[in-house]
Amino acid sequence: KAGVTQTPRYLIKTRGQQVTLSCSPISGHRSVSWYQQTPGQGLQFLFEYFSETQRNKGNFPGRFSGRQFSNSRSEMNVSTLELGDSALYLCASSLRSYNEQFFGPGTRLTVL
Amino acid sequence: GIQVEQSPPDLILQEGANSTLRCNFSDSVNNLQWFHQNPWGQLINLFYIPSGTKQNGRLSATTVATERYSLLYISSSQTTDSGVYFCAPPTGGGNKLTFGTGTQLKVEL
Repeated sequence: KAGVTQTPRYLIKTRGQQVTLSCSPISGHRSVSWYQQTPGQGLQFLFEYFSETQRNKGNFPGRFSGRQFSNSRSEMNVSTLELGDSALYLCASSLRSYNEQFFGPGTRLTVL
Repeated sequence: GIQVEQSPPDLILQEGANSTLRCNFSDSVNNLQWFHQNPWGQLINLFYIPSGTKQNGRLSATTVATERYSLLYISSSQTTDSGVYFCAPPTGGGNKLTFGTGTQLKVEL
């Protein structure tokens, strides 16, 4: 069974631009969660989607948004990029709630 | 929210040595995951362990939920064990994981 995939793997943007990241979960998994990892803040939860509904949201500004499609693939969008948005963005998939989560390889975003 | 603390923050071992990594959490949890983050950033699942002890090769983990801690044992360490080890219980409902600050492990020849 294929693992969690994320595209693109690397991305360079400039301040003020917007970006869309994609995550395809493990086949059959309906929950997709997103995390941001930075050297200063560590790994922080962004949001979780389950069956196309946002089920949980972390403490991030409204510039960070996401969605999930009927095939469980998920996208996250960051608008009006800031230098501080430079980070590794990881997504995880899970079969259901309180179940083991599996992470993708991440998208490394650099904002110049 | 729940606080997750990991110790030690840094650890240097000689190849072949054993080690114990600790994860303390401030509130009761339903389960807990241990991950190894490799140099490329990928989080690799080690254990999904609500309670009790599990073993996988040279690694084992024990969670004592009533006392709010979990331990990860690495025996006969190898250079490929180097990286950052995270524990993460789910908190706040659903699948939101709260990560500790990690233990940076370096195994030297």
